[in-house]
Amino acid sequence: DGGITQSPKYLFRKEGQNVTLSCEQNLNHDAMYWYRQDPGQGLRLIYYSQIVNDFQKGDIAEGYSVSREKKESFPLTVTSAQKNPTAFYLCASSSVLGEQFFGPGTRLTVL
Amino acid sequence: AQSVAQPEDQVNVAEGNPLTVKCTYSVSGNPYLFWYVQYPNRGLQFLLKYITGDNLVKGSYGFEAEFNKSQTSFHLKKPSALVSDSALYFCAVRGVGAGNTPLVFGKGTRLSVIA
Repeated sequence: DGGITQSPKYLFRKEGQNVTLSCEQNLNHDAMYWYRQDPGQGLRLIYYSQIVNDFQKGDIAEGYSVSREKKESFPLTVTSAQKNPTAFYLCASSSVLGEQFFGPGTRLTVL
Repeated sequence: AQSVAQPEDQVNVAEGNPLTVKCTYSVSGNPYLFWYVQYPNRGLQFLLKYITGDNLVKGSYGFEAEFNKSQTSFHLKKPSALVSDSALYFCAVRGVGAGNTPLVFGKGTRLSVIA
């Protein structure tokens, strides 16, 4: 988990509320990624960014938004449009050879 | 399109016995291949990677993996399993020259090492 921090570790959301998950890296990596993990489904890509001020949708982007204003930071907002947001969220960054380093994760629960 | 298959959801092995976790892949051209391990409520930890060169790759915690191009496989192995190896294991792939595009992950294999 070294080099990438995610906060908070646990997050609770009420119905209709937007919440933002933080991801910061000090590895000087250009690329950053957000994944969602549900039991038995592996990792599903939400958004990724290959460079500052640019990002692309992944496989399950609906109901999520991101920004990449700084190289070190890639926050993920879970909007009220995401109907089933309860999951474990993982942030990662990668070097030029593509090895991805992961943060410790944020567990989001809808109340 | 790139894809990874981990055909076993669960692998059980006795402590001290050798273990194998299987992975096959599909990619255009040559692959970059990776193995990660995840402990409960934690992020993924990198174990090893194949970029080029020797087909047998050695990684962390005594794990190794063998790249087999003809069988498009990259199975993870360890000669003697420990109870502490019990975790969720993910195989991942990216095509060479694909830059910093995301890795494609398998669905994971849960390894249980029994004392």
